[in-house]
Amino acid sequence: RKEVEQDPGPFNVPEGATVAFNCTYSNSASQSFFWYRQDCRKEPKLLMSVYSSGNEDGRFTAQLNRASQYISLLIRDSKLSDSATYLCAAAPAAGNKLTFGGGTRVLVKP
Amino acid sequence: DTAVSQTPKYLVTQMGNDKSIKCEQNLGHDTMYWYKQDSKKFLKIMFSYNNKELIINETVPNRFSPKSPDKAHLNLHINSLELGDSAVYFCASSQEGRGGSKQYFGPGTRLTVT
Repeated sequence: RKEVEQDPGPFNVPEGATVAFNCTYSNSASQSFFWYRQDCRKEPKLLMSVYSSGNEDGRFTAQLNRASQYISLLIRDSKLSDSATYLCAAAPAAGNKLTFGGGTRVLVKP
Repeated sequence: DTAVSQTPKYLVTQMGNDKSIKCEQNLGHDTMYWYKQDSKKFLKIMFSYNNKELIINETVPNRFSPKSPDKAHLNLHINSLELGDSAVYFCASSQEGRGGSKQYFGPGTRLTVT
């Protein structure tokens, strides 16, 4: 079993709709979590950190569920420009070894 | 005003050759990383340096040798290249080498070994 797992998708989303997807992690020692966005043939770009209380940045909301060991990302009012692969990452408390999931591909269509 | 830069962007070479990739960050960060993203898009940590000191060394063939001349630079030298080394190599940096420190990635070096 991979340490961080994601549904590869693709999630086909009509423009303006809401889409949500999860990322599960197996290492209970993981303390820090992040969502990155990666466009085709580009580098991963940090989208947001995920805090215990959940956090929101515009149309994006991230949640952490420690009991069930998953994080989620919700995108509201999807834009065509939201089409990308979304990578989740987990890191332990000590050291900064980020372990990435395989990514979830999101395709927003008109 | 590029934050994390890598050279070259593309590298095509033959099996058995030796090649280097360079990375520089102007963010004033203390920690730098090398990641490999294979054809299946999995992104895996290879090495991490904190202020020129190696702190993460994953199970990577010893044909790969990182070198950090100063905390703003991290290079990756690969000896005796093999077909399986073909991948995109990303450099990244973070303020600190602790959990929770956000990492910022360079544009990647697309290595093709023929």
